Amino acid sequence: EDQVTQSPEALRLQEGESSSLNCSYTVSGLRGLFWYRQDPGKGPEFLFTLYSAGEEKEKERLKATLTKKESFLHITAPKPEDSATYLCAVLRVDQTGANNLFFGTGTRLTVIP
Amino acid sequence: EAEVAQSPRYKITEKSQAVAFWCDPISGHATLYWYRQILGQGPELLVQFQDESVVDDSQLPKDRFSAERLKGVDSTLKIQPAELGDSAMYLCASSLETSHFHNEQFFGPGTRLTVL
Repeated sequence: EDQVTQSPEALRLQEGESSSLNCSYTVSGLRGLFWYRQDPGKGPEFLFTLYSAGEEKEKERLKATLTKKESFLHITAPKPEDSATYLCAVLRVDQTGANNLFFGTGTRLTVIP
Repeated sequence: EAEVAQSPRYKITEKSQAVAFWCDPISGHATLYWYRQILGQGPELLVQFQDESVVDDSQLPKDRFSAERLKGVDSTLKIQPAELGDSAMYLCASSLETSHFHNEQFFGPGTRLTVL
């Protein structure tokens, strides 16, 4: 059975305090790993797609990395506006043969000024 | 910038009533998805369309939920009758096509449903 586990569930950081969010996965037929940011009451906003182990992508203070079993979202010197829930999702082939995203439960990040 | 549109943004209904949600995907996006997101959890796929055809509805509770995309553009998700456990955010997303390597999904703002 496919599983996506994100940790920690919640994270509080001081402004400027760097940290990492983890996404571990067990899935057959992985076709990609996606990171999304979700603000309260809004739809998820696309951040990154990673396709192969060793791949890295960066955007402003965020950097995503991928291994064969997990992905990390590194946040360098976060600011209060980085506060949000960060969702990890795997693109897989499900039992019907369709490609779709399977999401984790997210990490709720709070950055304190 | 092109966006996925959804309406209404909020819906309050009583149990046993019927509700409907509407989604207009980004122009040119062949694939459309409906997700349900319970507070504190990640989105769960309900149904996936490729143009006007259903590709995957294995997680759609078909006794009360229905979805259609008649002309392969906008889509409607219906619940009849609504139950208390249906209270959630209903998200619509679209992407170019399922076979596209990147398959990046763009989400709409969602419809927050509260069933009383």
